[in-house]
Amino acid sequence: QVQLVQSGAEVKKPGSSVKVSCKASGGTFRSYAINWVRQAPGQGLEWMGGIIPMFGSANYAQKFQGRVTITADESTSTAYMELSSLRSEDTAVYYCARVSADAEYSSGSRFDYWGQGTLVTVSS
Amino acid sequence: EVVLTQSPGTLSLSPGERATLSCRASQSVSSRYLAWYQQKVGQAPRLLIYGASSRATGIPDRFSGSGSGTDFTLTISRLEPGDFAVYYCQQYGSSPYTFGQGTKLEIK
Repeated sequence: QVQLVQSGAEVKKPGSSVKVSCKASGGTFRSYAINWVRQAPGQGLEWMGGIIPMFGSANYAQKFQGRVTITADESTSTAYMELSSLRSEDTAVYYCARVSADAEYSSGSRFDYWGQGTLVTVSS
Repeated sequence: EVVLTQSPGTLSLSPGERATLSCRASQSVSSRYLAWYQQKVGQAPRLLIYGASSRATGIPDRFSGSGSGTDFTLTISRLEPGDFAVYYCQQYGSSPYTFGQGTKLEIK
């Protein structure tokens, strides 16, 4: 069974950066897309971008272009999401989510597996 | 970008009743690429339905999805106490993979 375990909560100052990790286990890492979704307090889900580790290049939502970097390390089966130039509106729970087992090599698929979420608080 | 609009925003029902949740897309979405998720307070979302009408592993048959084009529906036939949560639709046919704003299903 695929499991995604994320890094712990972070408190950051405005203008700084945060890097959240997502370690996968129980399945093949390199050929399945890992996506990042965030949820501001009391708000809905927002897709930020995703990556298929073996291909290396990430796909980002326009809203986050230039501020977010998604990477993956095949040697440790870990995906990362780094968000820069943080502002208070970036305070949210950040989730990683992997696509379904039948979506190998495909970025467009349902999100079958989710991490537990990482709370990032941006505050001066 | 495909905008998904869910209605109603909040649905108040009693256990045993039937719930009907709507998701409308700003442009046609292939049925293959429409999913529904359930999210309880403090938890990550859980996949319920994919391909508009296929139940995910372990999801009871009280949950069903239907629709095509721009109009999709999630139906919960007989509400149980654990069903009261927030429900999101998502399209994953074209990037960005957008979500609806959610429908909160609350106990009446």
